[in-house]
Amino acid sequence: GAVVSQHPSWVICKSGTSVKIECRSLDFQATTMFWYRQFPKQSLMLMATSNEGSKATYEQGVEKDKFLINHASLTLSTLTVTSAHPEDSSFYICSATPRDRTYEQYFGPGTRLTVT
Amino acid sequence: QKEVEQDPGPLSVPEGAIVSLNCTYSNSAFQYFMWYRQYSRKGPELLMYTYSSGNKEDGRFTAQVDKSSKYISLFIRDSQPSDSATYLCAITTGSNYKLTFGKGTLLTVNP
Repeated sequence: GAVVSQHPSWVICKSGTSVKIECRSLDFQATTMFWYRQFPKQSLMLMATSNEGSKATYEQGVEKDKFLINHASLTLSTLTVTSAHPEDSSFYICSATPRDRTYEQYFGPGTRLTVT
Repeated sequence: QKEVEQDPGPLSVPEGAIVSLNCTYSNSAFQYFMWYRQYSRKGPELLMYTYSSGNKEDGRFTAQVDKSSKYISLFIRDSQPSDSATYLCAITTGSNYKLTFGKGTLLTVNP
């Protein structure tokens, strides 16, 4: 149990375009979903926290107009990178917290974004 | 001082060795302590989590927390090549479920 999926697993886009990444909890309802960014050989950097039906809370330094987060249901959250630039190229990972096990966080497999 | 300190390694051991991975933390408000395993180009996988001081065992893995020293450990017995990965400690106060991660320790188990 506690499986989180992400789609797509890998995406290449041109500079200036927008990209949407989906995060789904497959076998549980998620109270909260998180979006992280990870650079090579570095740890995870939390970008934002989202609860179903509420606006996301962004970490300091993360541009909320650039990284749009929508948490439409208890099993789905999306991250849209708007007007992407090469410096947005990174590994984006989501995680979700089950309603009945709120101290556990389960991660998706990640999405590798390359902006050319 | 960073909230969570973890030696990034790399750590290389022979198959069958006992591996010890450690983190220290500074905030005494931290209550929940997790260990994640991350294979290259994959998302982290939750291995174990503990609440309060003490030991917790799951198969070949033992998690240990010493809140008085603000020190947490993960022991891997009879290590296998498939254990080769980056191990991340993660800690939370529990109030908002945000995790504070260590930098991760890269472990290689050689056959």
